[in-house]
Amino acid sequence: GAVVSQHPSWVICKSGTSVKIECRSLDFQATTMFWYRQFPKQSLMLMATSNEGSKATYEQGVEKDKFLINHASLTLSTLTVTSAHPEDSSFYICSARVREQGVNGLFFGSGTQLSVL
Amino acid sequence: QKEVEQDPGPLSVPEGAIVSLNCTYSNSAFQYFMWYRQYSRKGPELLMYTYSSGNKEDGRFTAQVDKSSKYISLFIRDSQPSDSATFLCAMTFTGNQFYFGTGTSLTVIP
Repeated sequence: GAVVSQHPSWVICKSGTSVKIECRSLDFQATTMFWYRQFPKQSLMLMATSNEGSKATYEQGVEKDKFLINHASLTLSTLTVTSAHPEDSSFYICSARVREQGVNGLFFGSGTQLSVL
Repeated sequence: QKEVEQDPGPLSVPEGAIVSLNCTYSNSAFQYFMWYRQYSRKGPELLMYTYSSGNKEDGRFTAQVDKSSKYISLFIRDSQPSDSATFLCAMTFTGNQFYFGTGTSLTVIP
């Protein structure tokens, strides 16, 4: 299956700093990637849809200026949590849509656990 | 009403049992159906992918889609302790937006 690489797996940072999370599609081109947030024992919460070469589409209630998304190439999308605060601590997961050979599905990265002190 | 309903469990079964996981949905326009397995603090892993109605088998896993009842199932045969995880169903119309169930937590007891 398609491989999505997410880095880093975990990060601890001080309040007020910015953190960048990378999401790469390793063996396919991803024109669309999705960023999710997940709280313990809860399902995935879509934050934004990232489209290569254009601005991301954010879900209602997600701060665009806090969660900066850049999808500069067909294999890389980044999420930058700016001026992170403890309430931003969460598990962030990216995914890429695959549309080939009749498959129309999502492949996920391994996730990033962010802890803001 | 949520687009996708899934019983959160938890579900606990003995090793070797057959596990049945289910989701119901409200929108008849969904065409693509997926099952994911998610271990704690990991990203979801795609297990099964089905287009439209019917059955699909892959090893110990069988996915069923009944569009007339708006009901999908995942069966796990000969369950193993390593199957202990949260299972998420997902579906989409065309791939522009995906709808997820809340996930069912499964524990397989050795």
